Amino acid sequence: DQQVKQNSPSLSVQEGRISILNCDYTNSMFDYFLWYKKYPAEGPTFLISISSIKDKNEDGRFTVFLNKSAKHLSLHIVPSQPGDSAVYFCAKRGAKAAGNKLTFGGGTRVLVKP
Amino acid sequence: AAGVIQSPRHLIKEKRETATLKCYPIPRHDTVYWYQQGPGQDPQFLISFYEKMQSDKGSIPDRFSAQQFSDYHSELNMSSLELGDSALYFCASSLEGRFYEQYFGPGTRLTVT
Repeated sequence: DQQVKQNSPSLSVQEGRISILNCDYTNSMFDYFLWYKKYPAEGPTFLISISSIKDKNEDGRFTVFLNKSAKHLSLHIVPSQPGDSAVYFCAKRGAKAAGNKLTFGGGTRVLVKP
Repeated sequence: AAGVIQSPRHLIKEKRETATLKCYPIPRHDTVYWYQQGPGQDPQFLISFYEKMQSDKGSIPDRFSAQQFSDYHSELNMSSLELGDSALYFCASSLEGRFYEQYFGPGTRLTVT
């Protein structure tokens, strides 16, 4: 049962344009979603999170939108920069009773072209 | 800023050998998580510790064990290694009150031959 799904394995975008990454989930028992960026041979880097009581969270160039009725969230990166080229994972943190472990989606590889 | 430290970064072992992976969390972080990422896969949760006690357990084989020590560092012990154990092993840490921000180390790449 894949609770978190990123249906787009890759995304190519021009520098300066917007990157939109999508994530769907099946289990409504959560209180936080997180987005991570990962370069090859490095650990995931925390980008931004959103709690279930919000529908939007913004931090600099990164904005995450949560649509609970559609069980969908998205990460917007604007403007995209070549250094943003990496694999992006969305991750779900379960409800507190389920512990703090993260369940990751399959990742989306983003390529920002100069 | 200090980050999560993992050692060794690379490890090559033969089948049926034992491996020990170490994780040093960010100072003042009291919670440590272990994840395994196989080739072409997303990270899978193994086990976590809060204040030196196991707080949650995922898909960790019985051949693996882990603990968190008084200085909050953690060790993942893997015995009777199998070829399928070849993977990237990540450690992450967080503050219990800020569980929604887990910070990952660079990972240990384990290759079992």
